[in-house]
Amino acid sequence: NAGVTQTPKFRILKIGQSMTLQCTQDMNHNYMYWYRQDPGMGLKLIYYSVGAGITDKGEVPNGYNVSRSTTEDFPLRLELAAPSQTSVYFCASSYPGYEQFFGPGTRLTVL
Amino acid sequence: KNEVEQSPQNLTAQEGEFITINCSYSVGISALHWLQQHPGGGIVSLFMLSSGKKKHGRLIATINIQEKHSSLHITASHPRDSAVYICAVDRDNTDKLIFGTGTRLQVFP
Repeated sequence: NAGVTQTPKFRILKIGQSMTLQCTQDMNHNYMYWYRQDPGMGLKLIYYSVGAGITDKGEVPNGYNVSRSTTEDFPLRLELAAPSQTSVYFCASSYPGYEQFFGPGTRLTVL
Repeated sequence: KNEVEQSPQNLTAQEGEFITINCSYSVGISALHWLQQHPGGGIVSLFMLSSGKKKHGRLIATINIQEKHSSLHITASHPRDSAVYICAVDRDNTDKLIFGTGTRLQVFP
């Protein structure tokens, strides 16, 4: 099992550009999550999904969008990138009520 | 004030020492998680607990629900234990976690 995979590992964007961060899990987990981690801060939940076709906002959803068309995939879309979105992004997945499994992260810089 | 507070923020130890990392939270919770973030950035779940104590190898996690406090202990610490240890709580049994800012541990030989 590959677990949770994320692409790309690194990306530099210009202000106003858009991009999609990819996340795939092969553990058949119902729940998937997107977090961002800023220096000196705890991880913050951006969006989450409890199953295909169902998504909901987390703590910091502004500037992001998600979709969940399959159990395996949970892409995160950044529209009109801003410097405030410079961060490390982690995708995670779990069964309900169980430990979360994290992807390796995507380091995004917006200049 | 953050809902999840960890102490200390930074910790250095000599190999073999007994380590304690503390986590206090100010909300009612359904579960508490301890995670480890490696120097390379990867995050791994260590424990998930809602009461009592759990042990895995040299790691022990305890929680006191009445006092809203949890501790992570590392016995016989080793340089490979050097990492950031993160506490997170599930406030309402939704798996939407609230994270502490982490404790950076460095263990020297």
